[in-house]
Amino acid sequence: AQTVTQSQPEMSVQEAETVTLSCTYDTSESNYYLFWYKQPPSRQMILVIRQEAYKQQNATENRFSVNFQKAAKSFSLKISDSQLGDTAMYFCAFTIFNNAGNNRKLIWGLGTSLAVNP
Amino acid sequence: NAGVMQNPRHLVRRRGQEARLRCSPMKGHSHVYWYRQLPEEGLKFMVYLQKENIIDESGMPKERFSAEFPKEGPSILRIQQVVRGDSAAYFCASSKDRGTEAFFGQGTRLTVV
Repeated sequence: AQTVTQSQPEMSVQEAETVTLSCTYDTSESNYYLFWYKQPPSRQMILVIRQEAYKQQNATENRFSVNFQKAAKSFSLKISDSQLGDTAMYFCAFTIFNNAGNNRKLIWGLGTSLAVNP
Repeated sequence: NAGVMQNPRHLVRRRGQEARLRCSPMKGHSHVYWYRQLPEEGLKFMVYLQKENIIDESGMPKERFSAEFPKEGPSILRIQQVVRGDSAAYFCASSKDRGTEAFFGQGTRLTVV
């Protein structure tokens, strides 16, 4: 079965501090991409960062970075210098590819609600 | 380049009515995905379509739900004879051919009263 587990339903952090959101996943596939999406109160689903499974180097995107441990099937998100606008639900997801090389459906975790406090 | 456009943003239907949700993918995108988000839950895959073809509908309920992505026009998710349990946010995403990143619309919030 392909699953994503986010073990922290809620987290909070003080503005300007660093927070790490955890994510583990399970798949028998070798070719997949991992994603973190952010869903603010507006409910728009916004891509934060993505990681190709074949790449060993951890992806970074400004204040956002991941710690990808392929053997452990772990994909945590670190947010540095947290800002009030980072308050949102954060979803971890991955997608595998079919034989044609097209991406398939995203498998989602249940999300972590992050509150950044002033 | 406009993003993925979903309409309406909010839809209220009485039990037994039909709901039609529309999704216009980003320009140049030929793959469309529909997801449903129930309150306090993550997204659940429903269906994956390419132009005029349903590729994977493994997440679609067997009854009352249908989806299409015609050669011209938006993708439509249709829910017949809605029930209260259909109340949810429905998100559409699109991607390029052989693309790896799905871009999401703002969702349609369906409320069944």
